Amino acid sequence: GESVGLHLPTLSVQEGDNSIINCAYSNSASDYFIWYKQESGKGPQFIIDIRSNMDKRQGQRVTVLLNKTVKHLSLQIAATQPGDSAVYFCAENTLNRDDKIIFGKGTRLHILP
Amino acid sequence: NAGVTQTPKFQVLKTGQSMTLQCAQDMNHNSMYWYRQDPGMGLRLIYYSASEGTTDKGEVPNGYNVSRLNKREFSLRLESAAPSQTSVYFCASIRAARQETQYFGPGTRLLVL
Repeated sequence: GESVGLHLPTLSVQEGDNSIINCAYSNSASDYFIWYKQESGKGPQFIIDIRSNMDKRQGQRVTVLLNKTVKHLSLQIAATQPGDSAVYFCAENTLNRDDKIIFGKGTRLHILP
Repeated sequence: NAGVTQTPKFQVLKTGQSMTLQCAQDMNHNSMYWYRQDPGMGLRLIYYSASEGTTDKGEVPNGYNVSRLNKREFSLRLESAAPSQTSVYFCASIRAARQETQYFGPGTRLLVL
C-alpha cells in the first residue's frame, strides 16, 4: 500500500553544519513530493517541493534530492541555524486520487550550539 | 489575508459528547483537508474535499463526519467523542489540483476525557 516514512526520528546537528534528512516512500506512482517544517505549537509550513521528472531542486539554503530508483527523498539544509530546529515531514501526492497528500512520521532536527 | 483559521484553539470533551471543529480559508482555495496529529504518528488524513460540494475519506475517517459548507469553510464533526480522538487537528487548503502548496491552520488541541 501507499506509505511514506522516515529513516530517523531525531537528528542532532552542530550549528553551522549541513543537515540531511531522509525519507523513503513506497508508492512508485507518486509524482510529487513536498517537505514541510513544523515548529512547536504551529501547523506545518511548506519548505520545498519536487516533481518526479526532476532529481534535484534547490531553494534558499535547502536542496531536495529525489532518487526514484530506490524511492528515496532527502532534504539538505545548508549552514544549519538555531531557527531550523523543528520537525520535518516529507509528503507525497498520490497519482490516482485527487489532492490526497500522505505524510511521513517526521524527523526532529535538534541544533547543537 | 488571514490564511487558514481554525476554531476553537483548545477543547476538552467528555466521552460521548459531540462537537464541531471549524475551519475557514480566505485564499479562494478549492481543496480543503482535515488531519490529525498524534505523537510519533505524523499527520494522518481524516477527510478531504477536492472542491465545493464533494468530500472523500482519508486514512482515518472512522468516528468523524465533515461538511464542506461553501468554498471557504470545511467543518469536522465528532458525533460521540472517544479518548482515542484526543489529538491535535489541523485543517489545510490548497489552491487547485495536485502539485500545489498546501497551507495549514494553527491547529485545534482536543482532549477527550
